[in-house]
Amino acid sequence: QKEVEQNSGPLSVPEGAIASLNCTYSDRGSQSFFWYRQYSGKSPELIMSIYSNGDKEDGRFTAQLNKASQYVSLLIRDSQPSDSATYLCAVISIGSWGKLQFGAGTQVVVTP
Amino acid sequence: DVKVTQSSRYLVKRTGEKVFLECVQDMDHENMFWYRQDPGLGLRLIYFSYDVKMKEKGDIPEGYSVSREKKERFSLILESASTNQTSMYLCASRGGSLGSNQPQHFGDGTRLSIL
Repeated sequence: QKEVEQNSGPLSVPEGAIASLNCTYSDRGSQSFFWYRQYSGKSPELIMSIYSNGDKEDGRFTAQLNKASQYVSLLIRDSQPSDSATYLCAVISIGSWGKLQFGAGTQVVVTP
Repeated sequence: DVKVTQSSRYLVKRTGEKVFLECVQDMDHENMFWYRQDPGLGLRLIYFSYDVKMKEKGDIPEGYSVSREKKERFSLILESASTNQTSMYLCASRGGSLGSNQPQHFGDGTRLSIL
């Protein structure tokens, strides 16, 4: 079983709609959660960090964390064509020396 | 903003060559990481370093070594390059102590082709 799981997609989203991405993790001791955006051929770029249960908003992005259910999600409001990318979920577990465990990523395609 | 700089965006080398990939960060971060990324396999950790001259193996260290002589610089070495090491190589850095929960910041990546 993979430690961090994401649907690979592609997730097709009409421009202006909300994109909803989900990520589940297996280690209940996980403490820190991140979303990275990666454009094709480019390196991952940090877009959100979340450490406690609940919602965290930053511009058009909202991260949601539920440690009891072991999932973290990312909402992208008012999706734009420039949001078309692969979104990577990453998790740090206790005792992992701060190493990130990455999901395989969800490809998002925003259609005009 | 954190700046992580990798020495080359594209690199072509021949089988058997010794290859050096360089990474420099400007934020005085203690922790630095080397990953490779391949289609269908995602990001895989090769090595990381939590201090000068300190290194730890990641998930796929075979065929690689690293060097960290100065805090800002972390080098990845392919001792004898092979075609299965053709990949995108990503360097990252992170502040804080060894178990810190701060995020990692990535360089632009080096696309390495071994012929």
